[in-house]
Amino acid sequence: KQEVTQIPAALSVPEGENLVLNCSFTDSAIYNLQWFRQDPGKGLTSLLLIQSSQREQTSGRLNASLDKSSGRSTLYIAASQPGDSATYLCAVSPWATDSWGKLQFGAGTQVVVTP
Amino acid sequence: EAQVTQNPRYLITVTGKKLTVTCSQNMNHEYMSWYRQDPGLGLRQIYYSMNVEVTDKGDVPEGYKVSRKEKRNFPLILESPSPNQTSLYFCASGGDNTQYFGPGTRLTVL
Repeated sequence: KQEVTQIPAALSVPEGENLVLNCSFTDSAIYNLQWFRQDPGKGLTSLLLIQSSQREQTSGRLNASLDKSSGRSTLYIAASQPGDSATYLCAVSPWATDSWGKLQFGAGTQVVVTP
Repeated sequence: EAQVTQNPRYLITVTGKKLTVTCSQNMNHEYMSWYRQDPGLGLRQIYYSMNVEVTDKGDVPEGYKVSRKEKRNFPLILESPSPNQTSLYFCASGGDNTQYFGPGTRLTVL
C-alpha cells in the first residue's frame, strides 16, 4: 500500500528565505505527483503537477522536482512572502489504467512566513 | 466562473439520521471524488467516479454511499451517520490529470 510522508509537519521562516518542502512515497509506480496548497477554512488549490516521465515542473517562484527511483519530491518556493503561509500537501496517483484519480495524500507541511 | 460547489457548508446532526451532502461542478469534468480530512490523518479518499454511472471505492468507503447519475453532480450519502464520521469533507472534480476542490463541508455527528 502506497504511503506518502511529508516532513517536517510544520515550518516557520522569515520573509525572503527560500522554502524547501519534502514529500516521500513508498511505491515508485506512480502516474503523477501533485502539490497542493490549502488555506485555513478553504479547499485545496493545485500548484504543480509532475507526470511520472518528468523530473521537474516550474511555475513562477515555485519549482517541484521528482525522483521516482528514490521515492521523493521536493517543492521549492523562492523568496518566500507572508502570503505563502499555508499548508502544502503532496499527493500521488498510482500507475494503473483509469486510476489516475485515486489520489493518496501526505499529511501536509504547515508553513508560516514571518514578516 | 469555473467552480465546485458543496452544500451545506456546515452541518450538525445526530447519530443515525440519514443525510446527503451535495456536490456540483460546472466544468464538464468526467472525474469527481470525495475526501475527508481529519487532524493527523490528512486527506483520505472516500469514493471517486471516472464517469457517469462509474464509481469506485477509495481508501475509506465504509459508511458512505455515492451515486453519479449525471456528469455535474456527485452526492455523498451517509445512511446512518456515526460520531466517527465527524470530519471535514471535500468534493473535487478533475480533468487533464489535475483536480479542483470545493470549499468543504464541516460535519459534526453527535
